[in-house]
Amino acid sequence: AQTVTQSQPEMSVQEAETVTLSCTYDTSESDYYLFWYKQPPSRQMILVIRQEAYKQQNATENRFSVNFQKAAKSFSLKISDSQLGDAAMYFCAYRSYGGATNKLIFGTGTLLAVQP
Amino acid sequence: GAGVSQTPSNKVTEKGKYVELRCDPISGHTALYWYRQSLGQGPEFLIYFQGTGAADDSGLPNDRFFAVRPEGSVSTLKIQRTERGDSAVYLCASSPGFTANYGYTFGSGTRLTVV
Repeated sequence: AQTVTQSQPEMSVQEAETVTLSCTYDTSESDYYLFWYKQPPSRQMILVIRQEAYKQQNATENRFSVNFQKAAKSFSLKISDSQLGDAAMYFCAYRSYGGATNKLIFGTGTLLAVQP
Repeated sequence: GAGVSQTPSNKVTEKGKYVELRCDPISGHTALYWYRQSLGQGPEFLIYFQGTGAADDSGLPNDRFFAVRPEGSVSTLKIQRTERGDSAVYLCASSPGFTANYGYTFGSGTRLTVV
């Protein structure tokens, strides 16, 4: 079974600085998807960025980028020019490619605080 | 609707009571998922619907939990004989289809508190 581990329960960053959130996962599959979701106090999970395992190029979405190391099974999220609105829980998630349900497997999350 | 709607937003119930949680997905989305998020944890998969049928209910913790989607749109998660350990946020998500290219849209969840 696949597992996702986030070893940083909490992180803090100064506004306009850069922060990196860590995520590792375990799988025996070769094709899969990885995601970072943001969960503000409203509880709605918002997709931040997605990476297909078969793509070597790291995904980027504006100020958000990932460092995907397939051999090391590592998938970190870098937030550049942090803004107060980035403060939230961040979850790393895994999804099989071509699986029967496309269910997501989540880590335990990292609470990000942004200091003004 | 414009997004995934979940009602009620919050529900407090007494131990042993029956509760229903409703999810109204985005119109036209055929795939619907329920997740449970306990305090300090990430969401855990409960059940997946493709259309009206439950294609995968392997995440339901026991037979007190049941979900339906009779017309392929609105879904109801039903919990019988609630226990304090059922207290959690129950999240619903929908997707246009099954294939992995489709992303999810999540609702804001129902926070269930069993006292």
